[in-house]
Amino acid sequence: VQLVESGGGLVNSGGSLRLSCAASGFSFDDFSLTWVRQAPGKGLEWVSSISSSGSYTFYADSVKGRFTISRDNAKNLVYLQMSSLRAEDTAVYYCTKEAYTEIDYWGRGILVTVSP
Amino acid sequence: QLVLTQSPSASASLGASVKLTCTLTSGHTNYVIAWHQQQPEKGPRYLMKVKSDGSNNKGDGIPDRFSGSTSGAEHYLIISSLQSEDEADYYCQAWESGTVVFGGGTKLTVL
Repeated sequence: VQLVESGGGLVNSGGSLRLSCAASGFSFDDFSLTWVRQAPGKGLEWVSSISSSGSYTFYADSVKGRFTISRDNAKNLVYLQMSSLRAEDTAVYYCTKEAYTEIDYWGRGILVTVSP
Repeated sequence: QLVLTQSPSASASLGASVKLTCTLTSGHTNYVIAWHQQQPEKGPRYLMKVKSDGSNNKGDGIPDRFSGSTSGAEHYLIISSLQSEDEADYYCQAWESGTVVFGGGTKLTVL
């Protein structure tokens, strides 16, 4: 299993950024996928999840209304569209694969820095 | 609302065993708990899941020194024969109604 994030970088407060995650090594359209972030020096924070078909999406209260998760099952890609970014969104963002009740694989992560 | 509580820190000597605890909010039972390890300057790695009956399913390449158990609302990660590379942050994780919940993490120091 491989999960490779891309699209991170430096953005101004109020700006937008789209993260992508390319997945391989498993039956992509059988599993939910999740974004998890980790602010500098802090613990892990769940951000958003999407069901295997893409029909169901879930968001942490901290990002609801600002972030949108989506997936392309034909291309084995999952996205996180982030808008109205704030300084507190600065974090390493991890793409993860769920196995029904647990995360069982992690990507290497990608840094998003929001300049105030 | 499900909350997972972990002690912020723990320590144990090289070669010894340590038991890390993850406590679920009162009334929340029969949850599958996963454990993840994050070594310094690295991304997290899945260690195992522990079912409500105490059975474990480990991730790829996780040594037998790592095991899990549960007793009521408490879930444990047991690491035996501690090695220097076990010094890391350990997070418990559960799933509820489409959302993923993490504990605050325990920083393990190997003395």
